[in-house]
Amino acid sequence: RKEVEQDPGPFNVPEGATVAFNCTYSNSASQSFFWYRQDCRKEPKLLMSVYSSGNEDGRFTAQLNRASQYISLLIRDSKLSDSATYLCVVRPSGGYNKLIFGAGTRLAVHP
Amino acid sequence: DGGITQSPKYLFRKEGQNVTLSCEQNLNHDAMYWYRQDPGQGLRLIYYSQIVNDFQKGDIAEGYSVSREKKESFPLTVTSAQKNPTAFYLCASSIAGGGGNEQFFGPGTRLTVL
Repeated sequence: RKEVEQDPGPFNVPEGATVAFNCTYSNSASQSFFWYRQDCRKEPKLLMSVYSSGNEDGRFTAQLNRASQYISLLIRDSKLSDSATYLCVVRPSGGYNKLIFGAGTRLAVHP
Repeated sequence: DGGITQSPKYLFRKEGQNVTLSCEQNLNHDAMYWYRQDPGQGLRLIYYSQIVNDFQKGDIAEGYSVSREKKESFPLTVTSAQKNPTAFYLCASSIAGGGGNEQFFGPGTRLTVL
């Protein structure tokens, strides 16, 4: 079983749609959770951290369910510029800043 | 502008050759990391360094070597012992090696073995 699992997609949605991505992780002791965005053939960039209480940043909402070991990302009012691959990232417990990356979910927003 | 630079952007290598990928940062970060990304897979950690003159193996270190002689620089050598080196290589850095410090990535190097 992979440490971080995501639906690879692609998710093809029209502009203005709401889309949700899910992610599960296997290590129950994991401490920190993130969503990164990666454009085609570019480097990943941090989109947002995910907190236990849930957090929102404009059109983006992230949720964490520790009991089910499940993370979600909701994008409202999708824009063409949201087209990218979204990486679910988990930091296990332990000393150094190790990150475990999911393979990513591809989103394509069309006019 | 502060940031991370990687060079070259594209690299072609013949089988049996060693090749060195450059990574430089001017963010004054202590920690640096090397990942590789293959299609359909998540990033995998090759090596990391929490401080100058110190580095540790990540999950897939076989066939790779690194050095950390300066805070700003963390070059990666892909040796001929690496059986499947064609991949997208990403360098990252963070303020420190511990805790949940954000990792910032360079633009990457695409290595193709001919």
